[in-house]
Amino acid sequence: ILNVEQSPQSLHVQEGDSTNFTCSFPSSNFYALHWYRWETAKSPEALFVMTLNGDEKKKGRISATLNTKEGYSYLYIKGSQPEDSATYLCAFRIGGNQFYFGTGTSLTVIP
Amino acid sequence: NAGVMQNPRHLVRRRGQEARLRCSPMKGHSHVYWYRQLPEEGLKFMVYLQKENIIDESGMPKERFSAEFPKEGPSILRIQQVVRGDSAAYFCASSPGRGPVNYGYTFGSGTRLTVV
Repeated sequence: ILNVEQSPQSLHVQEGDSTNFTCSFPSSNFYALHWYRWETAKSPEALFVMTLNGDEKKKGRISATLNTKEGYSYLYIKGSQPEDSATYLCAFRIGGNQFYFGTGTSLTVIP
Repeated sequence: NAGVMQNPRHLVRRRGQEARLRCSPMKGHSHVYWYRQLPEEGLKFMVYLQKENIIDESGMPKERFSAEFPKEGPSILRIQQVVRGDSAAYFCASSPGRGPVNYGYTFGSGTRLTVV
């Protein structure tokens, strides 16, 4: 069983603050890493698909970086807004057909 | 363009009954994946299917669980003789090609199974 660790487990920030969280995964046999945003009562929504060491992806105020050699990815949110409140999941694949999901970082942005 | 449709959203079954969970993939997607989320745990892979084929069922419990994706109609995850430990959220995801490496999964809203 492969372990994907996400930290912190939960986070409360004030509106306007910038924040970041971490996804750690085994560094050998890396194939792909995904970030998902999961709002309560909705389905997870793909944010980023990352496959290459050094990848940096950006979507609006949210960006992500990938380091496959040391086995981590960071997700950054600049100027957090209440609508950013959600659980952020990362999922890691080494090949084969399945992704291994972390348990997520629950973000609450306080207005 | 409807996304991945799962039904029912909530399902209550008594111990020993059968549970059938349905998933219609997004239009144009021919690959379906089932994941299960147990309380306090992350999403765990169960099975990967294409039309009429099970490609990878390495995450499926050996007994009581089965999945199909017929030529016509939705994918079905079937749990026979449910037990309390089967209570979980079951999510279906689809992708347009083999392995969602480049696309990411499109998830349904899940079916929350409660066994009483």
